Amino acid sequence: EVQLVESGGGLVQPGRSLRLSCAASGFSFDEYAMHWVRQAPGKGLEWVSGISWNSGRIGYADSVKGRFTISRDNAKNSLYLQMNGLRAEDTALYYCAKDWDDVLTGPDYWGQGTLVTVSS
Amino acid sequence: QAVVTQEPSLTVSPGGTVTLTCGSSTGTVTTGHYPYWFQQKPGQAPKTLIYDTRNKHSWTPVRFSGSLLGGKAALTLSGAQPEDEAGYYCMLSYSDARVFGGGTKLTVL
Repeated sequence: EVQLVESGGGLVQPGRSLRLSCAASGFSFDEYAMHWVRQAPGKGLEWVSGISWNSGRIGYADSVKGRFTISRDNAKNSLYLQMNGLRAEDTALYYCAKDWDDVLTGPDYWGQGTLVTVSS
Repeated sequence: QAVVTQEPSLTVSPGGTVTLTCGSSTGTVTTGHYPYWFQQKPGQAPKTLIYDTRNKHSWTPVRFSGSLLGGKAALTLSGAQPEDEAGYYCMLSYSDARVFGGGTKLTVL
C-alpha cells in the first residue's frame, strides 16, 4: 500500500524558513517523480514543485521560484521542500504526491498534508 | 504563468450527465498539456481520476471519462451518483511546471 506521510509544518513568522519532509513507503521511491501541492484554507489546489526520479528535472510554480527548493533522498525514501522567505500567502496545507511515472507528469497518490501557517 | 479556467459550479441530477471543462489562457488545450482531473471531498486529500487526457486509474469509477472538447479538456460524468458531489480540479502541464484550475464545485441534486 502506498503511503505518503508529510511532516515539518507549523507556525512560522514571515521571512523565516521551514523544511517539509515526506516519508514514502509501499512503492519503489527511486522509480517515481514526486510533487508538492498546496491548498490555502478554503481555496483551491496549487501545484508548488515537482522533481523527477533522479532529480534531473525540477519545476517550480512562479509564486515560489527562488524561495523554495525541492529535493529528494532516494536512499531514505524521502522528499523535501525547503521554504525560505515565507510570506503570509504561503499559509496552506502542503500535500506530498507521488507521480505515476519517473519523469514529471502528474500525481496519482496523495498524502494527507501538513499545515504551514505564516503569521507574526 | 498560464491561467487555467474551470466552471466555478455546476449542478447535475442523480443519474444525469454533466461535462466539466478546463481551458488554458495560452490557447487550445491539447494532449501535450497532459490534462489531469482530480476529485476532492471536504476534509479529504484529492484523489486522481484521470491522467493524460483520458486514462483512468484502477480506482476511477467507469462513469467518469476524460476527453478534449472544443479546445478544452473535459471531464464527463455519466450517471451521476450522490457520492459524486465534490470539488473537481483539472491540471495542465506547461514544460516542467503544472497549473491547476480554480476548481468546479459539483452539486448532485
